[in-house]
Amino acid sequence: GENVEQHPSTLSVQEGDSAVIKCTYSDSASNYFPWYKQELGKGPQLIIDIRSNVGEKKDQRIAVTLNKTAKHFSLHITETQPEDSAVYFCAASPSWNSGGSNYKLTFGKGTLLTVNP
Amino acid sequence: NAGVTQTPKFQVLKTGQSMTLQCAQDMNHNSMYWYRQDPGMGLRLIYYSASEGTTDKGEVPNGYNVSRLNKREFSLRLESAAPSQTSVYFCASSFIAGGSRSPAQYFGPGTRLTVT
Repeated sequence: GENVEQHPSTLSVQEGDSAVIKCTYSDSASNYFPWYKQELGKGPQLIIDIRSNVGEKKDQRIAVTLNKTAKHFSLHITETQPEDSAVYFCAASPSWNSGGSNYKLTFGKGTLLTVNP
Repeated sequence: NAGVTQTPKFQVLKTGQSMTLQCAQDMNHNSMYWYRQDPGMGLRLIYYSASEGTTDKGEVPNGYNVSRLNKREFSLRLESAAPSQTSVYFCASSFIAGGSRSPAQYFGPGTRLTVT
């Protein structure tokens, strides 16, 4: 089955700096890669996702890059703010265009990001 | 739109007791999921329902049962709670993963369950 490794497990940055979180996956059939932000005591919130036919996607201060050959994808947060402090999860799934046949979303173990004012 | 809602928010059970966790979504999604989250283990899929009328086991189904009551509601039942089921439980929903529609899963706020 799919295995998703996420690094680092903790990341501390100064406000205004950039933060990068990296994930690798094992199943070449995976074609959908979402990123979730989870604040303390809350459910995971989808912040950005990417399909395997796209190499990069940006949404304001957040970007995700995908290297299918190397089977890794990364989350980039620029101009970090204290409110970016949270646990971030990457995930991988073969669910896009699967015809409804595969729903499994495999998660990394999370990165605790702390943005220091 | 409320998105995905879960009840209760917190629950304490004694070993052997039973309970049902409720989940509802108002996004007209076809598929619904139950996950548990434990420290150091990330999110693990317990059961899912690809569409109304179907349910399937996920990664950690033992000790749980589910019911897809209608398109909006998906419940998780613990028949005889055990301390190993102490966890945070999340419900999620999505459109059916096919065609050009995004399979993005949207999560509820969670139920924090302690079994003593």
